[in-house]
Amino acid sequence: AQSVTQLGSHVSVSEGALVLLRCNYSSSVPPYLFWYVQYPNQGLQLLLKYTSAATLVKGINGFEAEFKKSETSFHLTKPSAHMSDAAEYFCAVSPPITGTASKLTFGTGTRLQVTL
Amino acid sequence: EAGVAQSPRYKIIEKRQSVAFWCNPISGHATLYWYQQILGQGPKLLIQFQNNGVVDDSQLPKDRFSAERLKGVDSTLKIQPAKLEDSAVYLCASSPLTQYLTDTQYFGPGTRLTVL
Repeated sequence: AQSVTQLGSHVSVSEGALVLLRCNYSSSVPPYLFWYVQYPNQGLQLLLKYTSAATLVKGINGFEAEFKKSETSFHLTKPSAHMSDAAEYFCAVSPPITGTASKLTFGTGTRLQVTL
Repeated sequence: EAGVAQSPRYKIIEKRQSVAFWCNPISGHATLYWYQQILGQGPKLLIQFQNNGVVDDSQLPKDRFSAERLKGVDSTLKIQPAKLEDSAVYLCASSPLTQYLTDTQYFGPGTRLTVL
């Protein structure tokens, strides 16, 4: 079974500082990996996804993540935090199979707080 | 392009009552998912439809939860009777089914259920 672990349920950064949200996966084969963002009272929005192409994935809103097989990690970063980045971030994993509907398993989420 | 629509947005009921949620996916999306998101946790898949057939309902508490997707378009999720532990946000998502790309799931805003 596949799973993801998000280290740190709450992360606080100053505006303009580096954002680093951690995600480690467990899978017998390199899976597909996703980062979603959830703003208050809204559904989840896809930030970026890794599907076995380039290991450095760029997403929306200036976020990027790097797939590191040796570390079984897929950490999310942004060079400079903005107040509007305050939200809940979820890492998710799915089996590396195309042509079938994906089955996502989510982590428990990390709440990002951005302070002035 | 219209997103995934869900209604109602909020619902408060007494335990042992019944409740139903409705979801209208993005037009043309073959796959529809219902997730349960308990406060402080990541979304958990309840049921997955492909067109109007069930692909995965292994985590659906079938003694009280039911779901249908008539005509392969919109879907309803029902709880009967509700328990206190059913208090959660119920998220609907949809995705296309493509042969060459990992399909992205698009989420609706969710229905927040409170069981008293």
